[in-house]
Amino acid sequence: EVQLLESGGGLVQPGGSLRLSCTASGFTFSNFAMNWVRQAPGKGLEWVSGISGRGDDTYYADSVKGRFTISRDNSKNTLYLQMNSLRAGDTAVYHCAKNPVSWSGYYSDYWGQGTRVTVSS
Amino acid sequence: EIVMTQSPATLSVSPGERATLSCRASQSFSSNLAWYQQKPGQAPRLLIYGASTRVTGVPARFSGSGSGTEFTLTISSLQSEDFAVYYCQQYNNGWTFGQGTKVEIK
Repeated sequence: EVQLLESGGGLVQPGGSLRLSCTASGFTFSNFAMNWVRQAPGKGLEWVSGISGRGDDTYYADSVKGRFTISRDNSKNTLYLQMNSLRAGDTAVYHCAKNPVSWSGYYSDYWGQGTRVTVSS
Repeated sequence: EIVMTQSPATLSVSPGERATLSCRASQSFSSNLAWYQQKPGQAPRLLIYGASTRVTGVPARFSGSGSGTEFTLTISSLQSEDFAVYYCQQYNNGWTFGQGTKVEIK
């Protein structure tokens, strides 16, 4: 059974940093691209970032480019999102999501429940 | 960026009735479109990909259609467990989602 478990969320002040993690199980992690998708309170889904299975290709939404960094450790079956220079507009639940292929640009067939990030003073 | 617009924002339907959800794209593409269902406090669940391919295990009452700029998700006979928010997503050029359609009990 595919499982994705996010962690690392919390309350952070504007300008601060957080690192989110997503631990995967139930599939060969390195074979599949992964994404981060966020959902602001009461709002819809917004794609944030994606990474290929080997980790050599990364992609970012314009809203986070230069502030967020996606990475993965295939030996630990873990996806990361380093978030710097956080703003109030980054407040959201952050989901990790698995692609059905090793390259980005596909839909996601499994999603985690998410971890909540609140940016506030 | 391809902008996805869903309508209506809210759809009030009685159990057993048919629901038709629309998703319009700002640019034309063939079939790189997915539909997700999300219930409160839960992760999104993939229902349809390739505009019309139903995921294994998704009931046959869910069907997707369309191409170009107009896509549709149809739920033929609504069951109690189908009341949720539905999102379309294009993956033809990057990823963008529609703003969602909430299907509520009439």
